[in-house]
Amino acid sequence: HSVLTQPPSVSGAPGQTVTISCTGSSSNIGAGFDVHWYQQFPGTAPKLLIYDNNIRPPGVPGRFSGSKSGTSASLTITGLQAEDEVDYYCQSYDTSLSEGVFGTGTKVSVL
Amino acid sequence: EVQVVDSGGGLVQPGGSRRLSCVASGFSPYAMSWVRQAPGKGLEWVAGISANGAYTNYAGSVKGRFIISRDNSKNTVYLQMSSLTAEDTAVYFCAKDRLSASVKVVVYYFDLWGQGTLVTVSP
Repeated sequence: HSVLTQPPSVSGAPGQTVTISCTGSSSNIGAGFDVHWYQQFPGTAPKLLIYDNNIRPPGVPGRFSGSKSGTSASLTITGLQAEDEVDYYCQSYDTSLSEGVFGTGTKVSVL
Repeated sequence: EVQVVDSGGGLVQPGGSRRLSCVASGFSPYAMSWVRQAPGKGLEWVAGISANGAYTNYAGSVKGRFIISRDNSKNTVYLQMSSLTAEDTAVYFCAKDRLSASVKVVVYYFDLWGQGTLVTVSP
């Protein structure tokens, strides 16, 4: 089972803002480990979307942003577009487990 | 070109073994991990290895059954899987980490992924 919890799904109309939460604990996010986000289209490998909590790699649109506070993190999509309707995962490291950890994943739906 | 190409998947009998390979090109050694995704499920980190191969970490679900290793002279990372069960059926992705230093924590974040190779464990 995953130690990082995400909502199974979030939805919004085109142009709206949606936020995906990633809830961890004192042994991962709360221990100071950074949170990273990936976008995954069906049948393809995940793609890095946000690293170090809030940094976008080159080529990632500015409508994607990230934040972290305490034992949680969030991914926000501002100005939702039809092509954003895919799966998103958060990722960090757990010092108690000595393992990399992923969130449970969230499917974004554009209404 | 900077890329990682994973291979070695296929049909395996329960209790059997399989070795996956990941060939990296276009960059100096970094920490590498294997991440898997069961059909219709989320991502699961499986194992990681430091840039020089000195340190390895494993998910509890595979510890004692899987071994990650690397041969930097061949730019290749391996995942030797044994005692396979149906629960190991998944697409396995090789992922390049952003960590270049060889430290005990072998997972940071993944900036380059292979295309994935499917392992099916079935009679």
